[in-house]
Amino acid sequence: DAGVTQSPTHLIKTRGQQVTLRCSPISGHKSVSWYQQVLGQGPQFIFQYYEKEERGRGNFPDRFSARQFPNYSSELNVNALLLGDSALYLCASSLGGMNTEAFFGQGTRLTVV
Amino acid sequence: GIQVEQSPPDLILQEGANSTLRCNFSDSVNNLQWFHQNPWGQLINLFYIPSGTKQNGRLSATTVATERYSLLYISSSQTTDSGVYFCAQTGANNLFFGTGTRLTVIP
Repeated sequence: DAGVTQSPTHLIKTRGQQVTLRCSPISGHKSVSWYQQVLGQGPQFIFQYYEKEERGRGNFPDRFSARQFPNYSSELNVNALLLGDSALYLCASSLGGMNTEAFFGQGTRLTVV
Repeated sequence: GIQVEQSPPDLILQEGANSTLRCNFSDSVNNLQWFHQNPWGQLINLFYIPSGTKQNGRLSATTVATERYSLLYISSSQTTDSGVYFCAQTGANNLFFGTGTRLTVIP
């Protein structure tokens, strides 16, 4: 079975540009979450989606948005990129609900120049 | 919000040595996971352990929910164990991660 897949794996963007990151969850998983990890820190929560509805949002500006599609895949969009948005973006998939195990993709490494 | 503290922040071991990593929580434990982050950044699931003890090969984990801590034991460490180990606890809709323990195993 395929695990969580993310694309692209690496990306370089210029300040002010927009970026879209993609995630496909494990088959049968209905919940997708997004995390940002900057160098030397643990991942920080951005969004959670379950059954195509937003269930949680972390402390990130409105430049960050996401959505989940009928096939449970998800996109994370970041507008007006800043240098500080350079990070590893991780997608997690789970069955859903409070106490279910989360599985992560390999991440997308975004560099803003 | 939930605070997760990990110790030690850095650990250097000789190959074959044993180690214990600790994770403390500010809130009662619902879902507790341990991960190993490989050099390419992927988080590899080690344990899902809200309470009790689990073992998987040379690794084992114990969570004492009433005292709000979890321990990860690595025995007979190998160079491939190097990397960053994270624990994470579930909040309302997401995982709260600690700052990690960076483990370096020297041949």
